[in-house]
Amino acid sequence: DAGVTQSPTHLIKTRGQQVTLRCSPKSGHDTVSWYQQALGQGPQFIFQYYEEEERQRGNFPDRFSGHQFPNYSSELNVNALLLGDSALYLCASSLPGQGAGTEAFFGQGTRLTVV
Amino acid sequence: GNSVTQMEGPVTLSEEAFLTINCTYTATGYPSLFWYVQYPGEGLQLLLKATKADDKGSNKGFEATYRKETTSFHLEKGSVQVSDSAVYFCALVVTSNTGKLIFGQGTTLQVKP
Repeated sequence: DAGVTQSPTHLIKTRGQQVTLRCSPKSGHDTVSWYQQALGQGPQFIFQYYEEEERQRGNFPDRFSGHQFPNYSSELNVNALLLGDSALYLCASSLPGQGAGTEAFFGQGTRLTVV
Repeated sequence: GNSVTQMEGPVTLSEEAFLTINCTYTATGYPSLFWYVQYPGEGLQLLLKATKADDKGSNKGFEATYRKETTSFHLEKGSVQVSDSAVYFCALVVTSNTGKLIFGQGTTLQVKP
């Protein structure tokens, strides 16, 4: 079992550019969530995808958007990058409908640096 | 709103010392509570969880008890090892369907030989 895989592992972009991050969920999982972890902080929920739809969204601007494909993989897109978008972006997958105790499995993250 | 507060770090201990990392929460409804661990350069791994009041989660020598009366979920280990050095995150989920995790700010643990 490959677990949750994310690509790329590291990325450097310039302010104003756009970036796409990718995530493949753990085998058998069909729900994908994205989190932003700034340096020295806990992860912050961006949004969650299930059945190719955005099911819930955190307090992030519309510059952050996403997509889920029929094979359950997902992309996170960020437009008009700001210096403050520099962070570790984590993808987590889980099984839906298992209650609040469902374990989320995290990938190793994509380290985005905006210069 | 829903939130998690953890004790400030870093926590520095000698090997075989007793560990406590405090975690308190504010939540509407009845949350499930989690401890995740992040080793250097890695993503988060679930350490333990508890889904209802008075439940005790345990794993790898770590324990935490869901205390509804004090809204707490403190992490403990009787004897830490150098390999336990990592960042520990307390988290909760209040929405049964979506599983949105709300994390504390994390506590860095450094264990010295």
